Amino acid sequence: DGGITQSPKYLFRKEGQNVTLSCEQNLNHDAMYWYRQDPGQGLRLIYYSQIVNDFQKGDIAEGYSVSREKKESFPLTVTSAQKNPTAFYLCASSVQPLDYGYTFGSGTRLTVV
Amino acid sequence: AQSVTQLGSHVSVSEGALVLLRCNYSSSVPPYLFWYVQYPNQGLQLLLKYTSAATLVKGINGFEAEFKKSETSFHLTKPSAHMSDAAEYFCAVSSYNFNKFYFGSGTKLNVKP
Repeated sequence: DGGITQSPKYLFRKEGQNVTLSCEQNLNHDAMYWYRQDPGQGLRLIYYSQIVNDFQKGDIAEGYSVSREKKESFPLTVTSAQKNPTAFYLCASSVQPLDYGYTFGSGTRLTVV
Repeated sequence: AQSVTQLGSHVSVSEGALVLLRCNYSSSVPPYLFWYVQYPNQGLQLLLKYTSAATLVKGINGFEAEFKKSETSFHLTKPSAHMSDAAEYFCAVSSYNFNKFYFGSGTKLNVKP
């Protein structure tokens, strides 16, 4: 079955460490996205990529980095520069344009300890 | 940038009652409009979408929404609430170039027995 997989489901990070969240899709979608979800704030766009080897900053890119070396993969690194990284992170993919909307992964909950 | 407003962060209805979740957007150009549902600690699932076809759209689980350009609204309704409808609902509007979505802050629906 086609889908989008995020791992791990739960992640704990010590302050000052970088961590990488994985996102893989086998839907043959060109576009991939990373959103951050905080209670009462909805989903906020971190980064997105419409083609391999290209990506754009979203509304809250500071303290995050991404790469898109393969069509199937769009990992997100939360760096030590991100001041408040504890959140639920959602990866999504889509065809372009967005006639069919996003397909979402099941999310990664990151907690700084 | 587009913006999406969901009135009411929490809505409570009795089982069998009408569900009405409100969504307004800011755009001078008719966008794509989507409603998603999220259950705890999961990704988002597509409920229904408007992409410039019929203004009244039907989705899964008995939900429907009407696109009203004059009111810049896309409210979600269901005639009779079921306990399984308890979840968080997000309205999303496409960007002007239709390559990403902006999400509302979400509405948590509680269904009372």
